[in-house]
Formats: sequence, structure tokens, C-alpha cells
Amino acid sequence: KNEVEQSPQNLTAQEGEFITINCSYSVGISALHWLQQHPGGGIVSLFMLSSGKKKHGRLIATINIQEKHSSLHITASHPRDSAVYICAVGISSGSARQLTFGSGTQLTVLP
Amino acid sequence: SAVISQKPSRDICQRGTSLTIQCQVDSQVTMMFWYRQQPGQSLTLIATANQGSEATYESGFVIDKFPISRPNLTFSTLTVSNMSPEDSSIYLCSVDGPGYTFFGQGTRLTVV
Repeated sequence: KNEVEQSPQNLTAQEGEFITINCSYSVGISALHWLQQHPGGGIVSLFMLSSGKKKHGRLIATINIQEKHSSLHITASHPRDSAVYICAVGISSGSARQLTFGSGTQLTVLP
Repeated sequence: SAVISQKPSRDICQRGTSLTIQCQVDSQVTMMFWYRQQPGQSLTLIATANQGSEATYESGFVIDKFPISRPNLTFSTLTVSNMSPEDSSIYLCSVDGPGYTFFGQGTRLTVV
């Protein structure tokens, strides 16, 4: 069983819709990351959070440590938001940082 | 925030040859990380590169196949050696910053 589960795997939305992507994990973590990967392969880090909620523009990320669950919300979605969104959890292991990645959610926003 | 310049962005290589991927960071960092993303798969950590010591490889990855250099605190290279079509993947370097993890733009490698 993958330690990081994302849902849905694929999501198609109309421009302007409110979008939620979910991430559940099964291990104790030091931090959770939300990443955005564009078709060329490059990855942008959207959020790193260990508790509560963070907001950046139209993006909101929340985490519930007790329930081992995080959500990424996109308000007023736009076609340029189309990308793969990846959840990754950081597990501290001695002095090394270890990230375990979810399989990603392919988001397509239609105009 | 850290800026990572990774190159090449893509390459098509013949089997049996080697490709070296470079990552340049605009600030000094202790550890740099190299990842592989095979088609349709998630990212897998290849190795952690520390300046002044040998890289630490994850299970399934060996130095002979993926030699790494880390000559200073802002630069690292990953070589994919004796390539086969199974090495066709996106390769990414990564560093940690305060509050974020930064990734390079990725190298999309196709082995024919």
C-alpha cells in the first residue's frame, strides 16, 4: 500500500469552478508538500505545511495532523491551472530529508 | 527563495551512451537531491549529494550507473551511464529552503 494516497487521479473542471484535491498518508510526518508539475516536467513547490492552513493567491492548503489528511483547494479555477498536482510527505530520518510522493492528480480546467 | 538552473532540459540519446545532467543553485546548500520520474510514475529519490563526501544512494540505485559529483555548495551533476530505453525518464534535482522545497526544471531523457 502506497504511504501517500491522492484523490482523484484525474479531474476535469470548467473555468471558475472550486477545486479540491485530497491527500491521505499513513505515517508520521515532519511536513507535507504540495507541488505543481507542468507538462514539460518542471516542478514548482506550492506549499509546505505541518499544521493548519496556508493561502497563496487562489490556492489554499489545509492539513489535519490527527486525521493524516491534507487538501489543496483552487478557487476560481483557470485553464492555466491545468497541471499535475503532487502531494509529498516529509519523513525525518536522522540527518536526511526523505520525501515520499503521491501519484499525482491530473487537473484539466476547460475554458 | 532558491533558484535552480538545470540542464539540459531534454535530450534524446543512443543506448549505451552516457548523459550528464547539471544543476546550479543560486545559493549555497548543504544537500542536493536527485530524483527520477519514470513515465506515468511518481518521483523516486535516486541519491542525496553532500559536498565533500560521496553521495548516498537509495535502494535500487548504484554509483556505477548514476555517478554524482558535488564539487561545491552550489553545483552538482548526475550522470546516467550506459543508457538503455528503461532509463527514459524525467530527472530532477532538488534542494530545501526555508518553508519550501525547490526543484529544477527537469531533464526529459529519451533513450532510443
